[in-house]
Amino acid sequence: DMKVTQMPRYLIKRMGENVLLECGQDMSHETMYWYRQDPGLGLQLIYISYDVDSNSEGDIPKGYRVSRKKREHFSLILDSAKTNQTSVYFCASSLDRGNTEVFFGKGTRLTVV
Amino acid sequence: GDSVTQMQGQVTLSEDDFLFINCTYSTTWYPTLFWYVQYPGEGPQLLLKVTTANNKGISRGFEATYDKRTTSFHLQKASVQESDSAVYYCVLGASGGSNAKLTFGKGTKLSVKS
Repeated sequence: DMKVTQMPRYLIKRMGENVLLECGQDMSHETMYWYRQDPGLGLQLIYISYDVDSNSEGDIPKGYRVSRKKREHFSLILDSAKTNQTSVYFCASSLDRGNTEVFFGKGTRLTVV
Repeated sequence: GDSVTQMQGQVTLSEDDFLFINCTYSTTWYPTLFWYVQYPGEGPQLLLKVTTANNKGISRGFEATYDKRTTSFHLQKASVQESDSAVYYCVLGASGGSNAKLTFGKGTKLSVKS
């Protein structure tokens, strides 16, 4: 079963706390992504990973970092979360670099208070 | 740089109406084009894909044709159902295959009333 799994699905954090969002995929895909989705702004790319320890900034990387130590796992870290990082975060994966199907997880709704 | 334009932010139809969602794109590469659909509480999922080789995609009653002359990739469906209510994204595949960056349109929210 081809799947991208995100944990947790819902998260409430206080401003200044650290946040870890986890993502796993069972398709051995090389490429993985983190996006955030906000009303009126659509999907914005935070980071891309091309494989283990091969990560690249997306369009809005400020305030975020990522870690990919195994091909099937890709983590998004917010050091000292800010209220403007309240959003829905989506992890995704694809077999190659963007011209085959991209599989998305169900998202994590993060609220920073 | 690459760009995708979806002018319709919201479309409201009745069941059995014809659906047309406008999408235009700009790229210097030979594009792979996608339509993704996002249902409430879910992540986007692939609806259909078109390349310069096949220039037309059909899936679940939806159809999109890639027109190189007008750089358009409109989505159509002859008869919508309430279950088609969702957000539809026009997406341009990665340029040159080297950076994996997809370019998403802003999305069109379709509401179908029974």
